[in-house]
Amino acid sequence: NAGVTQTPKFRVLKTGQSMTLLCAQDMNHEYMYWYRQDPGMGLRLIHYSVGEGTTAKGEVPDGYNVSRLKKQNFLLGLESAAPSQTSVYFCASSVTGGLMLTGNTIYFGEGSWLTVV
Amino acid sequence: RKEVEQDPGPFNVPEGATVAFNCTYSNSASQSFFWYRQDCRKEPKLLMSVYSSGNEDGRFTAQLNRASQYISLLIRDSKLSDSATYLCVVNRNTGGFKTIFGAGTRLFVKA
Repeated sequence: NAGVTQTPKFRVLKTGQSMTLLCAQDMNHEYMYWYRQDPGMGLRLIHYSVGEGTTAKGEVPDGYNVSRLKKQNFLLGLESAAPSQTSVYFCASSVTGGLMLTGNTIYFGEGSWLTVV
Repeated sequence: RKEVEQDPGPFNVPEGATVAFNCTYSNSASQSFFWYRQDCRKEPKLLMSVYSSGNEDGRFTAQLNRASQYISLLIRDSKLSDSATYLCVVNRNTGGFKTIFGAGTRLFVKA
């Protein structure tokens, strides 16, 4: 009963290093998202995808890139990490776009704690 | 001003107490509303949707006031296990969907 799985769970990077966060979902969801969560800021959308092969910018996309080569996977890349990217990153997925009272729920992974020093 | 605002708390209450959280939203085009729960160092999980007429799920009651643009969450007979951060979430579909998460209200229930 995996749901949404993120790796790695914890990572420390030096400024300027690059890394990729991996996200996989086994619910056959069309929509996938990457959020970051910072104290007092709430969850903020970085990038999202409405289906395999598509990506779109969210609220805070600068400094990040994404790819969705397979429906079940959504990768978040940091090309040149900066201390401002220290955060908790959540991957999420849903059947269709956004939350709906008809039952479309956004399911989150367990989070990836990233520190850039 | 943030589009969705919540009192960050923390709210410290004894077991058995009733506690209420409010959340205000600024965009009148907002269409659907939800409460998510997030435990410490865990992912957010859907607690309940908020319907226009108000709705109840066990000890939890959610209300929506469209005229004043706020939603509320009432927890009765608080349990230690209710200690968490409660996120107000608003969804709108203007030029594409947009889901906005509040920063959350922290609740500590003490024995």
